Amino acid sequence: DQQVKQNSPSLSVQEGRISILNCDYTNSMFDYFLWYKKYPAEGPTFLISISSIKDKNEDGRFTVFLNKSAKHLSLHIVPSQPGDSAVYFCAAKEGGSQGNLIFGKGTKLSVKP
Amino acid sequence: DTEVTQTPKHLVMGMTNKKSLKCEQHMGHRAMYWYKQKAKKPPELMFVYSYEKLSINESVPSRFSPECPNSSLLNLHLHALQPEDSALYLCASSQGEGWDQPQHFGDGTRLSIL
Repeated sequence: DQQVKQNSPSLSVQEGRISILNCDYTNSMFDYFLWYKKYPAEGPTFLISISSIKDKNEDGRFTVFLNKSAKHLSLHIVPSQPGDSAVYFCAAKEGGSQGNLIFGKGTKLSVKP
Repeated sequence: DTEVTQTPKHLVMGMTNKKSLKCEQHMGHRAMYWYKQKAKKPPELMFVYSYEKLSINESVPSRFSPECPNSSLLNLHLHALQPEDSALYLCASSQGEGWDQPQHFGDGTRLSIL
């Protein structure tokens, strides 16, 4: 049973527009959430994280929103650039857990020039 | 460029071979991890080392044997693997095991078992 779900396998966006990647989770014990970007033949690259005490965290073009009541988080990329084309993984961790990140299956983002 | 370095990038081995995967980081991180990723699946945790001691083994078969010689190095010794063990093996590190510590990944070793 998937605890972290990314229901959109792919997303296509025009350059300069906003990309919104969504993630849902089922485990109410999760209290730290991360987004990773992965290019082919490379490992996941950490992008941004948010703890459950916040509802928004921003870093440059990337903003993560957390809605605890809906068990939903999203990653906004504004403006989207062709170099953002990659697979984006949502990951979550339980409070007090010793390192176990639970990943979603990923969403492939394509940003078209 | 990743700050977690994994070698080799690719490895092909027979089921009777013994080989090792290596991981190195020089960020002063005290927690290191091995993950396994099958095609079109998310990474799944195998082992966690914290301050050079094994703290988590996610019920991994004994044909996978981790080793942490020092705080910068993490090895994964492989012996008598099965074809279903073919996968991408990712190493990661974080400052500690604390709940708000992001993990930083290497580029992985793609392992193929003949």
